[in-house]
Amino acid sequence: QQPVQSPQAVILREGEDAVINCSSSKALYSVHWYRQKHGEAPVFLMILLKGGEQKGHEKISASFNEKKQQSSLYLTASQLSYSGTYFCGTATGANSKLTFGKGITLSVRP
Amino acid sequence: DVKVTQSSRYLVKRTGEKVFLECVQDMDHENMFWYRQDPGLGLRLIYFSYDVKMKEKGDIPEGYSVSREKKERFSLILESASTNQTSMYLCASSSQGGETQYFGPGTRLLVL
Repeated sequence: QQPVQSPQAVILREGEDAVINCSSSKALYSVHWYRQKHGEAPVFLMILLKGGEQKGHEKISASFNEKKQQSSLYLTASQLSYSGTYFCGTATGANSKLTFGKGITLSVRP
Repeated sequence: DVKVTQSSRYLVKRTGEKVFLECVQDMDHENMFWYRQDPGLGLRLIYFSYDVKMKEKGDIPEGYSVSREKKERFSLILESASTNQTSMYLCASSSQGGETQYFGPGTRLLVL
């Protein structure tokens, strides 16, 4: 079953912050975040393993609450380059396949 | 840099044709995956492989088969293409126990 991503779409102005969520009905081992720009391949952003850790990459960070089986991606002081579709992929075990959500389109306007 | 290449960016086929989509990775990755991407549905896993000559069904394997004769190459086969298989097909690879999947640029297939 696919994880549920919310909100469905995000429109921001440069410099604004955004939060994207990913929820699963299954117990999770890890959550992976990818970004896909129009016409390009998805690109890995980060992975969070169970343990409730938070990770960051420049001004993009994420948290994973394994009890709630959900992860959130935080985009701070958004830049035009952040525009794209954000996918979360979830895994129920260390070597299990990823199940991706439907994706969220994020648009950053000047 | 990891490179995953796919044989075609765009492909047009007729209903009933046999279609081969090829994927090659140059990082000696054990794991390879085939996804299809449709608007509003995200990425859905068709088949994956953890080793040469091994294959596992993903979430939507019906109408597809795969072949992995060499470690670097993973082929997706549509035995008899149908219009509902019109889609973007993405290949990905990762190392054994690896966490990051590296995606190819995708093949946009149109079945008429």
